[in-house]
Amino acid sequence: EAQVTQNPRYLITVTGKKLTVTCSQNMNHEYMSWYRQDPGLGLRQIYYSMNVEVTDKGDVPEGYKVSRKEKRNFPLILESPSPNQTSLYFCASSDGGEQFFGPGTRLTVL
Amino acid sequence: SQQGEEDPQALSIQEGENATMNCSYKTSINNLQWYRQNSGRGLVHLILIRSNEREKHSGRLRVTLDTSKKSSSLLITASRAADTASYFCATGWMDSSYKLIFGSGTRLLVRP
Repeated sequence: EAQVTQNPRYLITVTGKKLTVTCSQNMNHEYMSWYRQDPGLGLRQIYYSMNVEVTDKGDVPEGYKVSRKEKRNFPLILESPSPNQTSLYFCASSDGGEQFFGPGTRLTVL
Repeated sequence: SQQGEEDPQALSIQEGENATMNCSYKTSINNLQWYRQNSGRGLVHLILIRSNEREKHSGRLRVTLDTSKKSSSLLITASRAADTASYFCATGWMDSSYKLIFGSGTRLLVRP
């Protein structure tokens, strides 16, 4: 089944404790993206990747890092999380047309 | 800054009625996409319309694009309670980058 998976689905952590949210797709898509969704603000793009080893900033990249060492994986790294990064995070992949979204990761930073 | 802005922010209709949502954007695009999101879940792609297209249909969905007015509309005909969701437009450039900007969405409630 074609899908985008994210882990973990829910995470509660404390300020400053490094964390990684994994994202994996099985559709051999070149494009992958990370978004955060906050009430009243819609989805905002954090980072995107055009292919392996090619990443670029979206609209809200501050406080986040990504890597694309393999085509299928696109982890999101928060080196020192802060409470303003509490949000619902989505990973998505695409072959250049529609995007396929993962189920989301709800992150709470205390 | 947000590119796509949906209007209205919320819409409540009776089952069987049509629902129309609008999206305006600010800069040039090469495609515009509509997505649906059920509460707290991932987004599901509905339809993509390219900048050289004016209208597109998919089942009960009809999307129009007016690049001169920088606006798009999504029409859902004969709505059903299961259409209750948030609907987002996203504007995209897929030449040298893959930057997609989403609007803040329209919350649609279809009353049975």
